[in-house]
Amino acid sequence: EADIYQTPRYLVIGTGKKITLECSQTMGHDKMYWYQQDPGMELHLIHYSYGVNSTEKGDLSSESTVSRIRTEHFPLTLESARPSHTSQYLCASSKQGPDYGYTFGSGTRLTVV
Amino acid sequence: KQEVTQIPAALSVPEGENLVLNCSFTDSAIYNLQWFRQDPGKGLTSLLLIQSSQREQTSGRLNASLDKSSGRSTLYIAASQPGDSATYLCAVIKGAQKLVFGQGTRLTINP
Repeated sequence: EADIYQTPRYLVIGTGKKITLECSQTMGHDKMYWYQQDPGMELHLIHYSYGVNSTEKGDLSSESTVSRIRTEHFPLTLESARPSHTSQYLCASSKQGPDYGYTFGSGTRLTVV
Repeated sequence: KQEVTQIPAALSVPEGENLVLNCSFTDSAIYNLQWFRQDPGKGLTSLLLIQSSQREQTSGRLNASLDKSSGRSTLYIAASQPGDSATYLCAVIKGAQKLVFGQGTRLTINP
């Protein structure tokens, strides 16, 4: 079944650790996105990609980085986690063109202690 | 800058009622508008996508309308059920195909 997958679902990690949040989709979508959402707050775009080897920063400044080596895979990395990075991270994808909506993953809830 | 506003921020109604959630946006030059549902601590589930050339979309008990000229969309939920309790998010899609979200309406259906 075509879908978008995020792992891990939950992550508790110590300050200073390097972490990578995984996002993969099996729908063949060219466009992929990372959103950050604090509890009870709005979603903010932090990174997006229009295809392989294309990455752009979103509207909200983030210390994370992303890569897009394969169409289906869009991992997000934090080189040195801090408590301020504690949040929910949501990955999404969409087809190319203005007529298509977004499909979201289940999210990764990150807690940095 | 595109701003999306959802009213009310929270709504609590008894089971069985019909209800309307409102979404307004400041820039009418949008491609599409998408309604999502989010359960606590979970990801987003797409409910309805209204393309810019359309005025409404229906799925089961849900009906969403779009009036680009006035910058408004409504989500109508018929015969509400406790399982409908969630946060409902409206998002517009415009340039560069980036979604801009409202802050959501937290809906509680009381049995």
